[in-house]
Amino acid sequence: QKEVEQNSGPLSVPEGAIASLNCTYSDRGSQSFFWYRQYSGKSPELIMSIYSNGDKEDGRFTAQLNKASQYVSLLIRDSQPSDSATYLCAVNIYSGGTSYGKLTFGQGTILTVHP
Amino acid sequence: DAGVIQSPRHEVTEMGQEVTLRCKPISGHDYLFWYRQTMMRGLELLIYFNNNVPIDDSGMPEDRFSAKMPNASFSTLKIQPSEPRDSAVYFCASSLGSGTDTQYFGPGTRLTVL
Repeated sequence: QKEVEQNSGPLSVPEGAIASLNCTYSDRGSQSFFWYRQYSGKSPELIMSIYSNGDKEDGRFTAQLNKASQYVSLLIRDSQPSDSATYLCAVNIYSGGTSYGKLTFGQGTILTVHP
Repeated sequence: DAGVIQSPRHEVTEMGQEVTLRCKPISGHDYLFWYRQTMMRGLELLIYFNNNVPIDDSGMPEDRFSAKMPNASFSTLKIQPSEPRDSAVYFCASSLGSGTDTQYFGPGTRLTVL
């Protein structure tokens, strides 16, 4: 089992719809979770971080964390063509109660928003 | 701040040659990370430093790869000798703290080994 798993997609949604991106992780002790967006040919950029169970909203983006089920999701409301990119889930993997101080990234989900 | 700076942005070399990639982290950031990204394997952590000291190099694929951080504002990733399978985009990232802090990525170096 991979440490961080994402559906690679592609996920295609119409403009104005809600895009839902999901990520599961293997280490029950993980404490920090991030969503990065990567446009083709560019570097990853952070769009959301979440540390506690529940929802965290920032504009059109909502991150949801459920540590008991070991999943984190990202919702994009009112999707725009400019949201078309690869979305990377990143998790700070802990082991034996120790943070390795590093992130493990999922393979990424390709999102396409069509007009 | 200028953000994380990497050079060169593109590198084309022939198999067997030495390749050196360079990174300048954001000033004041204590952590520096080197990643490699390919279509097949995604974004992989190669090595990271804390206060210029290598903490975890378990992602370095083999002895052909080496990384140094001689001071807080400069790091290098060296491949010697290079092989075609090393072709990838190499990213450098830095953060203020550990995995709980946001990592800021540089623009990357696209390496092609012929």
